[in-house]
Amino acid sequence: ILNVEQSPQSLHVQEGDSTNFTCSFPSSNFYALHWYRWETAKSPEALFVMTLNGDEKKKGRISATLNTKEGYSYLYIKGSQPEDSATYLCAFIRHGQNFVFGPGTRLSVLP
Amino acid sequence: NAGVTQTPKFQVLKTGQSMTLQCAQDMNHEYMSWYRQDPGMGLRLIHYSVGAGITDQGEVPNGYNVSRSTTEDFPLRLLSAAPSQTSVYFCASSLPGRLNTEAFFGQGTRLTVV
Repeated sequence: ILNVEQSPQSLHVQEGDSTNFTCSFPSSNFYALHWYRWETAKSPEALFVMTLNGDEKKKGRISATLNTKEGYSYLYIKGSQPEDSATYLCAFIRHGQNFVFGPGTRLSVLP
Repeated sequence: NAGVTQTPKFQVLKTGQSMTLQCAQDMNHEYMSWYRQDPGMGLRLIHYSVGAGITDQGEVPNGYNVSRSTTEDFPLRLLSAAPSQTSVYFCASSLPGRLNTEAFFGQGTRLTVV
């Protein structure tokens, strides 16, 4: 069973703060790394699909980087807003295998 | 375009009862999967299918059956519900055979087994 870890488990930030969290995954046979945003009482929605070492992706105030050689990805949120409050999941995909999700980072942005 | 439709949203079962969670997608996705989500454990794969007529077990398959008679539908059956199956269940689908594209999720089913 592949081990995908996310840290921190949860964090609280003030509105306007920038923050980041980490997804760690096995570095062998990498295929893809996904980030999902999961709001309470809703279903996860994709933020980024990353496939190449060194990938950097951006969507508004949210960006992500990928290091496949050392097995980690960072998600950054610049100028956090209350609507950013959600659980952020990463999912690791190895060649020929299924999605393996991390436990998530629960973000609360306080107004 | 409805995406992934999952029913019911909520269900309470008594221990030993059986039920089927329905999942349908209208995006012609060949890959479909079922996950359960428990506190602190993320999404764990129960069963998956890479196409009609093909199913396989995931990480936590015990107590669940699936079938894939059509591309659109991927029902999950609980054979004899147990309290350990109390969880939130998500169905997901993605583009044919291409795991580097995103998964689309249903709205989830919150199941309580008493």
